[in-house]
Amino acid sequence: QKEVEQDPGPLSVPEGAIVSLNCTYSNSAFQYFMWYRQYSRKGPELLMYTYSSGNKEDGRFTAQVDKSSKYISLFIRDSQPSDSATYLCAMTPGYSSASKIIFGSGTRLSIRP
Amino acid sequence: GAVVSQHPSWVICKSGTSVKIECRSLDFQATTMFWYRQFPKQSLMLMATSNEGSKATYEQGVEKDKFLINHASLTLSTLTVTSAHPEDSSFYICSAAHGRPPYEQYFGPGTRLTVT
Repeated sequence: QKEVEQDPGPLSVPEGAIVSLNCTYSNSAFQYFMWYRQYSRKGPELLMYTYSSGNKEDGRFTAQVDKSSKYISLFIRDSQPSDSATYLCAMTPGYSSASKIIFGSGTRLSIRP
Repeated sequence: GAVVSQHPSWVICKSGTSVKIECRSLDFQATTMFWYRQFPKQSLMLMATSNEGSKATYEQGVEKDKFLINHASLTLSTLTVTSAHPEDSSFYICSAAHGRPPYEQYFGPGTRLTVT
């Protein structure tokens, strides 16, 4: 069993729709939870991070963590064609940037104009 | 913001040859650099962690004699793929960190290696 499970998609939605991306994990030691966006043939860029359980909002993006269920989500409101990319969930138990990050396999998202 | 570059962005080499990939942190000093490998439609898999001036720590299953990592300075790490085989063809991504929270790892744009 993988430590982090993520539906690879692809997921295609019309512009303006609300997008829900999810991951489950098995390691209860994970403390930091991140979402990265990766465009084709580019490196990942950090979208949001959350420490422990709870919600965090940044513009059109909301990240949710439910540690009791070992389930994290990313919501995108008013989706735009420029949001089309692969979204990677990631998590780590560590406290420093030298800590190993475990990535999900990524969900390919396409926003139709 | 923190910028990490990689060179080359893509490279084609013949089987049996070696190829070197550079990773540079352009505007900060990276105490730790990471090397990842990503196959099409798959996740990033950590290959090794390197700290400036010390030997890299390789993940289980990664051949340290095949994937040579050097972190000679706080702004430069190199990955050399030795005796390349077609199965080494992949997208290699580095990231750099400077001791802040774990989400403050900055990724390079990646290097696509094709071994013929």
